[in-house]
Amino acid sequence: DVKVTQSSRYLVKRTGEKVFLECVQDMDHENMFWYRQDPGLGLRLIYFSYDVKMKEKGDIPEGYSVSREKKERFSLILESASTNQTSMYLCASSLPGVRGNEQFFGPGTRLTVL
Amino acid sequence: AQKITQTQPGMFVQEKEAVTLDCTYDTSDPSYGLFWYKQPSSGEMIFLIYQGSYDQQNATEGRYSLNFQKARKSANLVISASQLGDSAMYFCAMRELSSGSARQLTFGSGTQLTVLP
Repeated sequence: DVKVTQSSRYLVKRTGEKVFLECVQDMDHENMFWYRQDPGLGLRLIYFSYDVKMKEKGDIPEGYSVSREKKERFSLILESASTNQTSMYLCASSLPGVRGNEQFFGPGTRLTVL
Repeated sequence: AQKITQTQPGMFVQEKEAVTLDCTYDTSDPSYGLFWYKQPSSGEMIFLIYQGSYDQQNATEGRYSLNFQKARKSANLVISASQLGDSAMYFCAMRELSSGSARQLTFGSGTQLTVLP
């Protein structure tokens, strides 16, 4: 079974702090994704990566950056956290050509910025 | 413009009954894929079913089936014989295969399904 893990289930940070959210997958997937989920808005793509050191902006990249130094790990960085970044963050990975590029999701990190 | 529309924020169904969750989509790409995911209260997203735009038959996976009506651009999820464990948020999503963002999924806003005993 594909396993996607995220470093924390719950995180509380202060405004202005630098925040790192880590995601690791164990199935050698090429593609990795970071989403945020807000009530009534569904999941919105922040950034994705299709290879080591490669990244592309999603629909809402402002205020975020990412890092992919190893294939299995994809980090989301909030350089200076703000209260409007309080949300659920979901990481996903996928392998091209498998069931329409089905994405496998981690359990999510619920981030609160005070 | 919304690419994926789920018009039912909440739905109720009696245990053992069938329920249909609506999803309409908007794309000019002739090649695309449609997905349904389930998100229980624990938060993890669980893949349920996939339909490719060129698939001739509607997709089925156990109690889940996808009612794919291409001309109407709808991809409704049908759950037969509902169980209490089906209570969750359900998301419809689409991937456009010909576009430059072919790796991305676009999600709808979700439908919260509650199964009543």
